[in-house]
Amino acid sequence: DIQMTQSPSTLSASVGDRVTITCRASQSISSWLAWYQQKPGKAPKLLIYKASSLESGVPSRFSGSGSGTEFTLTISSLQPDDFATYYCQQYNRERTFGQGTKVEIK
Amino acid sequence: QVQLQQSGPGLVKPSQTLSLTCAISGDSVSSNSAAWNWIRQSPSRGLEWLGRTYYRSKWYNDYAVSVKSRITINPDTSKNQFSLQLNSVTPEDTAVYYCARDGVAVTWGWFDPWGQGTLVTVSS
Repeated sequence: DIQMTQSPSTLSASVGDRVTITCRASQSISSWLAWYQQKPGKAPKLLIYKASSLESGVPSRFSGSGSGTEFTLTISSLQPDDFATYYCQQYNRERTFGQGTKVEIK
Repeated sequence: QVQLQQSGPGLVKPSQTLSLTCAISGDSVSSNSAAWNWIRQSPSRGLEWLGRTYYRSKWYNDYAVSVKSRITINPDTSKNQFSLQLNSVTPEDTAVYYCARDGVAVTWGWFDPWGQGTLVTVSS
């Protein structure tokens, strides 16, 4: 199994902050990585696929980067609607998720 | 616009079978590019991919090793839906279960869309 490790587990930030979440894979997954946002009681929502491709309709303040084993999700200017939990997911072999990063209000 | 609508009981007794259905609109369960997945989420296990079914001239299934001996995912072409059966459940199978679409090819491995989720509690 390919293990996905996210850091930090929790992040406290203010509106307008630049936020970066890291996801590390236990082996190389090329660029086969997606990012999701999840709010309480809702299904995850796709933000980014193929490490850096922005899903249609997702605000441009979200961006992804990385390849191989290290990836980042960046929110350039945090908005009130962005307080949520974020997950990475690899699809190089089978499908596995990171444990999540909760972005909370500082 | 593809939409997935889940249905099924929210309470299952230990040792019995968990059964859920996911109805597809806007796409076909027999699509030659899509795959139809079940994923669950619990506080202890996080998001866990369980398995999928897909059609490439014939039907295929892939299952996670953790549930391989207990899981069956079946397509229903007459109703354009697919189902999950998980046998011999224990309280550790208590989770929110989601259906979701992705593709078989590594170039399309992200999940979108997702069903609304079904909380399944295993308890007597």
